[in-house]
Amino acid sequence: SQQGEEDPQALSIQEGENATMNCSYKTSINNLQWYRQNSGRGLVHLILIRSNEREKHSGRLRVTLDTSKKSSSLLITASRAADTASYFCATSNTGKLIFGQGTTLQVKP
Amino acid sequence: GAVVSQHPSWVICKSGTSVKIECRSLDFQATTMFWYRQFPKQSLMLMATSNEGSKATYEQGVEKDKFLINHASLTLSTLTVTSAHPEDSSFYICSAPRASNSYEQYFGPGTRLTVT
Repeated sequence: SQQGEEDPQALSIQEGENATMNCSYKTSINNLQWYRQNSGRGLVHLILIRSNEREKHSGRLRVTLDTSKKSSSLLITASRAADTASYFCATSNTGKLIFGQGTTLQVKP
Repeated sequence: GAVVSQHPSWVICKSGTSVKIECRSLDFQATTMFWYRQFPKQSLMLMATSNEGSKATYEQGVEKDKFLINHASLTLSTLTVTSAHPEDSSFYICSAPRASNSYEQYFGPGTRLTVT
């Protein structure tokens, strides 16, 4: 079953702009992860944030986690055309990953 | 670096036949692997957890007799779709934890199954 919702479902921006995606979940978690999927391909792990962390950075990625609101956000700064992909949040408690609905990001050159 | 491979990358089969999809961990061992199904423009749905040396654990609503999972070795899990029907057409993806104590997973490139 799906863990929760992501919004927006689709996002279209110009190269150089920032992209923000949000994820909500329903149950208690050990950690939350973000993955990227290029069309018709497998998933690539981007970043993991633990339940006791509030913010984490990795290159142009910034992830926040608010366990009181059961929500997380992924910010991609200075977007590039190569960032065009679908982005999924996934929560984990027992090792299994439960994915959100995903956000499709299009970055126009 | 460590990767996960899947074979075949795509397959077309006739309704009523069975199809086997392989998931291999390269350069690392995986006592646990996961199988997901993804319909077009949708998210990944966890189907089952494949356990080396024991029975797979299926998610609610997934028919274990239809989706046979065998974790034959520490580097290979197979998913067999038996008596395939057009509604089984989907993108099947496997994953394996990066390490035995890791929550992060490596994903295979996926297998596109089309049942005619």
